[in-house]
Amino acid sequence: GAVVSQHPSRVICKSGTSVKIECRSLDFQATTMFWYRQFPKQSLMLMATSNEGSKATYEQGVEKDKFLINHASLTLSTLTVTSAHPEDSSFYICSARPLLDEQYFGPGTRLTVT
Amino acid sequence: QKEVEQNSGPLSVPEGAIASLNCTYSDRGSQSFFWYRQYSGKSPELIMSIYSNGDKEDGRFTAQLNKASQYVSLLIRDSQPSDSATYLCAVNPGLTGGGNKLTFGTGTQLKVEL
Repeated sequence: GAVVSQHPSRVICKSGTSVKIECRSLDFQATTMFWYRQFPKQSLMLMATSNEGSKATYEQGVEKDKFLINHASLTLSTLTVTSAHPEDSSFYICSARPLLDEQYFGPGTRLTVT
Repeated sequence: QKEVEQNSGPLSVPEGAIASLNCTYSDRGSQSFFWYRQYSGKSPELIMSIYSNGDKEDGRFTAQLNKASQYVSLLIRDSQPSDSATYLCAVNPGLTGGGNKLTFGTGTQLKVEL
């Protein structure tokens, strides 16, 4: 299967600071990547669709000014959580599609805001 | 609202038995269907995709799709303790239902007991 990486795997930050998470497709080009959030014992929640060279499409209820997405190349998308608060603590996972509509997930980033 | 429903479980099966996981979806126009496995604290891993009615086999896994009844299932033969995980059903509603986004069920927790 296709390989998607994320960095960092785990991050702890103080309330009010910003955190950037990188998502890379390692062996394929991805014009579209997806960002999900998952709280403990809950299912995946799609936050936004990241499109290379254009603005991201955010799901209803997701603050675009708080969760900044940049998809600057065909292999890299970044998610920046701005002015993070403890309620933003979660497991953030990206995915990408090498072909058809099979999505492959990165290993995830566990964010803890203190 | 497009929905994908799964029994949350836990589904307990003895080692060596067949585990049967079921999923129903509401959007009749859905085009493609996926099963992901998610271990606790990890990101989802794609294990099966199916696009047409009938069965698709890959090793110990068999996906079954019945579009008329709007259900998709996953059979795991010769279940092993390492199969213990949460299994997520995902559906792509197709172009009329939101394009390339996946709708996930809440997952079924499978426990394979020694």
